[in-house]
Amino acid sequence: EAEVAQSPRYKITEKSQAVAFWCDPISGHATLYWYRQILGQGPELLVQFQDESVVDDSQLPKDRFSAERLKGVDSTLKIQPAELGDSAMYLCASSSEPQGVSPLHFGNGTRLTVT
Amino acid sequence: DQQVKQNSPSLSVQEGRISILNCDYTNSMFDYFLWYKKYPAEGPTFLISISSIKDKNEDGRFTVFLNKSAKHLSLHIVPSQPGDSAVYFCAAGGGPNAGKSTFGDGTTLTVKP
Repeated sequence: EAEVAQSPRYKITEKSQAVAFWCDPISGHATLYWYRQILGQGPELLVQFQDESVVDDSQLPKDRFSAERLKGVDSTLKIQPAELGDSAMYLCASSSEPQGVSPLHFGNGTRLTVT
Repeated sequence: DQQVKQNSPSLSVQEGRISILNCDYTNSMFDYFLWYKKYPAEGPTFLISISSIKDKNEDGRFTVFLNKSAKHLSLHIVPSQPGDSAVYFCAAGGGPNAGKSTFGDGTTLTVKP
């Protein structure tokens, strides 16, 4: 079964540094999501793309976070500068349904530790 | 305000018995509900879903029940197996951005042999 690819799996960075995460969704999936999961909590949506357009970024801290999906395929999430509170698992997911709820296919995430 | 709540952080059951995981929601616009299972160091994987037009959906050992009036759903696993030990997330979608899923904080299920 096709998978959502994410890299890196783990990232350790010092606060005030810049970090970037990459995601390649399942081929043909038009909708791509970035979620953040803090330990002990559920995933929280940061940004949702439909093709290359942002559908929802209401929970994205735009002063330090940015996301792009230039060609409507893979996506990059960037944090600059990183803060201690950004330590979390960053999950990318995709779905085939352009509208409406459908099951999300998650990657294995990037575990970020900010020191 | 958390719109999807899983009030039990953990649940322990004996192999072969029934596991019941609960979820409550507050947003009346939610009309589609999903359960995901997550193993350590992996992303969540989809398990089962239910639309608000139904009150029950079954898939093998897994059954989800929806009580719309109480804004409550539950996941039943029968019989429970040690491989079911994982974190289970309840998620809900619907409303203006129907493609957005809102997650609960999860319940860690441990099935003892």
